[in-house]
Amino acid sequence: ELKVEQNPLFLSMQEGKNYTIYCNYSTTSDRLYWYRQDPGKSLESLFVLLSNGAVKQEGRLMASLDTKARLSTLHITAAVHDLSATYFCAAFSGTYKYIFGTGTRLKVLA
Amino acid sequence: NAGVTQTPKFRILKIGQSMTLQCTQDMNHNYMYWYRQDPGMGLKLIYYSVGAGITDKGEVPNGYNVSRSTTEDFPLRLELAAPSQTSVYFCASSYSPRGNYGYTFGSGTRLTVV
Repeated sequence: ELKVEQNPLFLSMQEGKNYTIYCNYSTTSDRLYWYRQDPGKSLESLFVLLSNGAVKQEGRLMASLDTKARLSTLHITAAVHDLSATYFCAAFSGTYKYIFGTGTRLKVLA
Repeated sequence: NAGVTQTPKFRILKIGQSMTLQCTQDMNHNYMYWYRQDPGMGLKLIYYSVGAGITDKGEVPNGYNVSRSTTEDFPLRLELAAPSQTSVYFCASSYSPRGNYGYTFGSGTRLTVV
């Protein structure tokens, strides 16, 4: 059974700093999504990673996938307050569905 | 283009009551999903559907039922509501589970059982 873990669960960081969120999954999966959720809102798709070694970047966020290590990372460069949100990864289970991680609550301090 | 529409947005139920959470999508997506999100937690899959007439259980199906009579609609039924079902419920859809765009989520239904 596929399990997905994220760490850290909470992250408080200063503006301008860099940090990485990690997403580990327990069994083979060949694709992974990252989502963003603002407080009280729904989830917004950020990235889809479809193969080993895939890297996607959008603004200050960069996501990568290592299927051999069963690891995806979401790297934040020079954080700004607008990036404060909860970030979820979701790994494809192979049976029509994705399993979500517990989320990383990011707070960027001015 | 409305995307995924969920109703109601908020609801308070008494223990033992029943209700149906509505979900409609206008994107002609075959795949639809119901998730619940408990406070400060991730999303748990309740049920999913791969097309009209086909549904299957997810991680936490107990206490819920679904049906999929049309491509557009995927209602979630709560029978005999319990406090443990207090949560935010999200409906989502996708064109393909192996697609390039992820799920499209509805805005959620915040349910409190008292």
